[in-house]
Amino acid sequence: DAGVTQSPTHLIKTRGQQVTLRCSPKSGHDTVSWYQQALGQGPQFIFQYYEEEERQRGNFPDRFSGHQFPNYSSELNVNALLLGDSALYLCASSIQGPDQPQHFGDGTRLSIL
Amino acid sequence: DQQVKQNSPSLSVQEGRISILNCDYTNSMFDYFLWYKKYPAEGPTFLISISSIKDKNEDGRFTVFLNKSAKHLSLHIVPSQPGDSAVYFCAAMVFPGANNLFFGTGTRLTVIP
Repeated sequence: DAGVTQSPTHLIKTRGQQVTLRCSPKSGHDTVSWYQQALGQGPQFIFQYYEEEERQRGNFPDRFSGHQFPNYSSELNVNALLLGDSALYLCASSIQGPDQPQHFGDGTRLSIL
Repeated sequence: DQQVKQNSPSLSVQEGRISILNCDYTNSMFDYFLWYKKYPAEGPTFLISISSIKDKNEDGRFTVFLNKSAKHLSLHIVPSQPGDSAVYFCAAMVFPGANNLFFGTGTRLTVIP
């Protein structure tokens, strides 16, 4: 049973560019959440997708956008990259409902030069 | 504003002894709590969770205790093993409504053989 898979594992971009990160949820999961983890910090919630709609959003600017496809996979897009966007981007999947843990992928390490 | 706090950045324990990791929170609306373990270059791995209607949940060597009046939870690992060496994150969620995770900054556990 495949867990949450993310691609690519590493990415190097320059300021002002745009990037797309991809996530396939764990089998049977219908909800995908994205988190940003800076060095030495805990993950920070970006947004969550369910039924192909953004359901929740954290304190991130509109440069961060996403999409969920009918097969529940998801993309995170970041426009006009800033140096401060350098971080580990984690995708988590879960089942909607109470007391449902989120399961994480290994993340995409994004470096902005 | 950090709503979930792990005030000990690191902890060292002898193999076979008990490891106790602590977590405090400020938001009284949190009603589901989780612990994740993270190895370098991997995503967080779900360990154990507890609902606010319980004060204890056990899974093998791992036990989580919740004290709602003190807004405090702890993770006990007995006996500790060298393979438990990792960064442990405490996380919390409000359900229903906002079901994104709020993370602490993590505690690095080192189990000494």
